[in-house]
Amino acid sequence: QVQLVESGGGVVQPGRSLRPSCAASGFTFNIYVIHWVRQAPGKGLEWVAVISHDGTKKYYADSVKGRFTISRDNSRNTLYLQMNSLRVEDTAVYYCARESRYDFGSGAYYGYLDVWGKGTTVTVSS
Amino acid sequence: DIVMTQSPLSLPVTPGEPASISCRSSQSLLHSNGYNYFDWYLQRPGQSPQLLIYLGSIRASGVPDRFSGSGSGTDFTLKISRVEAEDVGIYYCMQALQTRTFGQGTRLEIK
Repeated sequence: QVQLVESGGGVVQPGRSLRPSCAASGFTFNIYVIHWVRQAPGKGLEWVAVISHDGTKKYYADSVKGRFTISRDNSRNTLYLQMNSLRVEDTAVYYCARESRYDFGSGAYYGYLDVWGKGTTVTVSS
Repeated sequence: DIVMTQSPLSLPVTPGEPASISCRSSQSLLHSNGYNYFDWYLQRPGQSPQLLIYLGSIRASGVPDRFSGSGSGTDFTLKISRVEAEDVGIYYCMQALQTRTFGQGTRLEIK
């Protein structure tokens, strides 16, 4: 079935790095835009980053810009989030989410997040 | 950056009664194509978020018709015609005009 499975979270000290990943199955990964969304303990959802289907376009939240890098390996059906210079406030569950398209026609479309993984927990603590 | 503000933040509801959640954006989400770039998501306890409504008013696949979305521009509403026990969770609005921004969430609980 269609699913996204995150892994690679863990406990890390402030200033260190971590690279969680998101493995896709059950659909054609290389035609979909994919997002990372996080949720700090007891808090709401925060959008983190997005990558185009071919990996050429990437956008980030201001809170992670310059520290996090989103990437994908379409040959492995896998999404990554390279997290550098981690801060205590980066502690969260990190979800990947697939963006599906509502087609307006003439090449225009709207993207909505229709498939989410169960998340991987990243804890930044000394 | 677009800021999304939800109200109320907590919503106790009796089963079978209606419920309504509001979301306001700091700038219009009405695209030049006439569609509102706006979604509603539900996060049930212990689960990942799931899509309820997209483009302001289109129900996602499998979403019961007791859920409806309305509004345009900067003001949007999610209505549940008759709340059921399985509707418990946190509801989030999200804008999709400029990358993505979520509201703070509204916690719906059963009285």
